[in-house]
Amino acid sequence: RKEVEQDPGPFNVPEGATVAFNCTYSNSASQSFFWYRQDCRKEPKLLMSVYSSGNEDGRFTAQLNRASQYISLLIRDSKLSDSATYLCVVISTGTASKLTFGTGTRLQVTL
Amino acid sequence: DAGVIQSPRHEVTEMGQEVTLRCKPISGHNSLFWYRQTMMRGLELLIYFNNNVPIDDSGMPEDRFSAKMPNASFSTLKIQPSEPRDSAVYFCASSDWPLETQYFGPGTRLLVL
Repeated sequence: RKEVEQDPGPFNVPEGATVAFNCTYSNSASQSFFWYRQDCRKEPKLLMSVYSSGNEDGRFTAQLNRASQYISLLIRDSKLSDSATYLCVVISTGTASKLTFGTGTRLQVTL
Repeated sequence: DAGVIQSPRHEVTEMGQEVTLRCKPISGHNSLFWYRQTMMRGLELLIYFNNNVPIDDSGMPEDRFSAKMPNASFSTLKIQPSEPRDSAVYFCASSDWPLETQYFGPGTRLLVL
């Protein structure tokens, strides 16, 4: 089993729709979680951190489920500009921090 | 702030040649990361440095790859000899601390023929 897994998609949704992605992780010692966004042929950029209590930033909501070992990203009222690949990042701590990116979920928002 | 600077942005070389990728992190950042991204394998962490010291190089594919960080403002990733399977986009990223937000450079697109 991969350390971090994401459904590659693509998720094709109409503008205005609500869409959710999950990211599962295998290491129960994982401590920090992030969602990054990557546009085509560009570098990844931080979208939001994922806190234990969940967090919301405008149309975006991130949640952590430690019992089932996954994080989620919910996008409400999708915009054409939300079309991108969404990467989850899982960091485990110990002797040395281990950082793992998921392979990403591609979202295509259409008219 | 100039952000993370990488050079070259594109590199085309022939199998067997040495390739050197360069990175200048954001001033004041203590951690620097090298990643490789391909369609098949996604974004893979190759190595990261904290305060110029390599902390985790378990992602470095093999002895043909080496990375150095001689000072806080410069790092190199070298491939010698290069092979076609090394073709990928190589990203450098920096952060205040390994667990904090990473800022990525624009990447170097490497093609080994």
